[in-house]
Amino acid sequence: DTEVTQTPKHLVMGMTNKKSLKCEQHMGHRAMYWYKQKAKKPPELMFVYSYEKLSINESVPSRFSPECPNSSLLNLHLHALQPEDSALYLCASSQVEGVRGNEKLFFGSGTQLSVL
Amino acid sequence: AQSVTQLGSHVSVSEGALVLLRCNYSSSVPPYLFWYVQYPNQGLQLLLKYTSAATLVKGINGFEAEFKKSETSFHLTKPSAHMSDAAEYFCAVSEATGRRALTFGSGTRLQVQP
Repeated sequence: DTEVTQTPKHLVMGMTNKKSLKCEQHMGHRAMYWYKQKAKKPPELMFVYSYEKLSINESVPSRFSPECPNSSLLNLHLHALQPEDSALYLCASSQVEGVRGNEKLFFGSGTQLSVL
Repeated sequence: AQSVTQLGSHVSVSEGALVLLRCNYSSSVPPYLFWYVQYPNQGLQLLLKYTSAATLVKGINGFEAEFKKSETSFHLTKPSAHMSDAAEYFCAVSEATGRRALTFGSGTRLQVQP
């Protein structure tokens, strides 16, 4: 199994809603990532978890709250989002967190989020 | 600080023609360089990576890239384009020390004309 599975594929939410994005991998990878990708732009790193601990937080607003319950799962909790947060949210994993800087990332297909 | 610059946001080629996608990097230490491909409504998939073992790197789907330190370049090529190659291509860089997370270029959309 070399897949990273993200659910849901599409999500529409209001600015007062609370929702969660989910990501799962069963490759035994110990690093997991959240990226945000606006239309026609490259992915931007949001968070990195390494061995279930938050390793990198790229100064993301607190309305985004990541969680790594175990080595296979990664969640992104959303609350009080703004319309400008509408984007494709990509989850990725790698064997370890860029220890040598050359780790291959495996990406999920993403959750297309629309905030109304 | 590390960065990559992709020249040309759109490239259009005819089926069977040479594909050349340009990437230049900036890094204060020896870099690791990657090319990822993104098909519509999908995540990114690694095409190939340079990790200093060899300057000419062969990847999946017939793509290859050559690391040229003197030109700080890592251009992606394919001898003969297929319709299925139409996608967004991202060059990315990371460093062996310091901040090792990937930094992506702005992307190049490849169109393949029949």
